Amino acid sequence: EVQLVESGGGLVQPGRSLRLSCAASGPKFKDYATHWVRQKPGRGLEWVAGIFWEGGGTGYADSVKGRFTISRDKAQNSLYLQMNSLRVDDTAFYYCIRDDLPGGAGYWGQGTLVTVSS
Amino acid sequence: DVVLTQSPLSLPVTLGQPASISCRTSQSPEHLNWFHQRPGQVPRRLIYKVSDRDSGVPDRFSGSGSGTDFALHISRVEAEDVGVYYCMQGTHWPYTFGQGTKLEIK
Repeated sequence: EVQLVESGGGLVQPGRSLRLSCAASGPKFKDYATHWVRQKPGRGLEWVAGIFWEGGGTGYADSVKGRFTISRDKAQNSLYLQMNSLRVDDTAFYYCIRDDLPGGAGYWGQGTLVTVSS
Repeated sequence: DVVLTQSPLSLPVTLGQPASISCRTSQSPEHLNWFHQRPGQVPRRLIYKVSDRDSGVPDRFSGSGSGTDFALHISRVEAEDVGVYYCMQGTHWPYTFGQGTKLEIK
């Protein structure tokens, strides 16, 4: 069974940076995508960024484009999200998600909370 | 971006009664999934590719639809079904979610 464990969340001031990590374990992954999805307090789900595990192609939500960078380390089986120029509006639980089939988003981590506040 | 519009947004249901949630999309997705999120928990996928049920999901849950109109059906609502249901499309990037439908017991 695939397991995803996020880390790196915390309290950060507006304008500062934070790097989230997601450690993956379990069966070897196919070349499907892995993503970050966030959920602001009391709100719905919002896709933030995604990356194809083998090819490395990426995509970003307009709300984070130019500020966030998604990357992966295949050898470490880890996913990252570098978040720069953080805003109060970026406050959310951030989930690491793995596709179990194209477009499936079948595997979810427990999430890590990012709070942006002065 | 593909827009997903769910209805209703609030769904009070009597135990044992059926319930349905609609999800309309602005483009046709092959990969239309349904998730359930209980309060304080991580979303869990119930249905993938419109109508395939995930392992361990009770057979009272079913998905249907085609084109731009999809639905999640619960044949007999149980107490553990409370929470928020989301549809999600994974065919077009960015992946997008519906607003969520909150199911509660009357």
